[in-house]
Amino acid sequence: RKEVEQDPGPFNVPEGATVAFNCTYSNSASQSFFWYRQDCRKEPKLLMSVYSSGNEDGRFTAQLNRASQYISLLIRDSKLSDSATYLCVVPRQRSSASKIIFGSGTRLSIRP
Amino acid sequence: AAGVIQSPRHLIKEKRETATLKCYPIPRHDTVYWYQQGPGQDPQFLISFYEKMQSDKGSIPDRFSAQQFSDYHSELNMSSLELGDSALYFCASSPSTGANSPLHFGNGTRLTVT
Repeated sequence: RKEVEQDPGPFNVPEGATVAFNCTYSNSASQSFFWYRQDCRKEPKLLMSVYSSGNEDGRFTAQLNRASQYISLLIRDSKLSDSATYLCVVPRQRSSASKIIFGSGTRLSIRP
Repeated sequence: AAGVIQSPRHLIKEKRETATLKCYPIPRHDTVYWYQQGPGQDPQFLISFYEKMQSDKGSIPDRFSAQQFSDYHSELNMSSLELGDSALYFCASSPSTGANSPLHFGNGTRLTVT
């Protein structure tokens, strides 16, 4: 089983819709989680950090389910500009260094 | 706010040549990470440095080496380049090696090996 798994999509939804996708992780000791968005041929950009049960920032909500070991990202009232690949990132816990493990990403396409 | 600076933005090399990629982290960030991202792939961790010492190693080929200098900038040296090395190379920095610190990425260097 991969350490971090995401549904690759693509998710193709109309503008204004609500869309959600999940990321499962295998290390039950993981304490922090991050969602990044990456546009084509650009660098990943931090979208949200999740340290406890969840986080909300405007139209974006991240929820953590420790029992089932997954993090979800919910996007409400989606915009055309939300089209991107969303990467789930789960740091591997180590005493002296963290190796950041990326999920393969979920592609989201918002259509007019 | 200052971001992670990478240079060059684009680099074209021939097979068997060498290449050096540079990364300048955000000020006061003492940890640097290098990632390689092929077309349609997720970023693959190569190597990281904390306080100028290698802190972690991923899938970095033996032909590659890297170091972090006293001013915290880092360089990735790639020798005997192969066609398969063509990719986007990202550098990221964080204020510590702690797992709670998110990474901040540079714009990347696009390496094309012909």
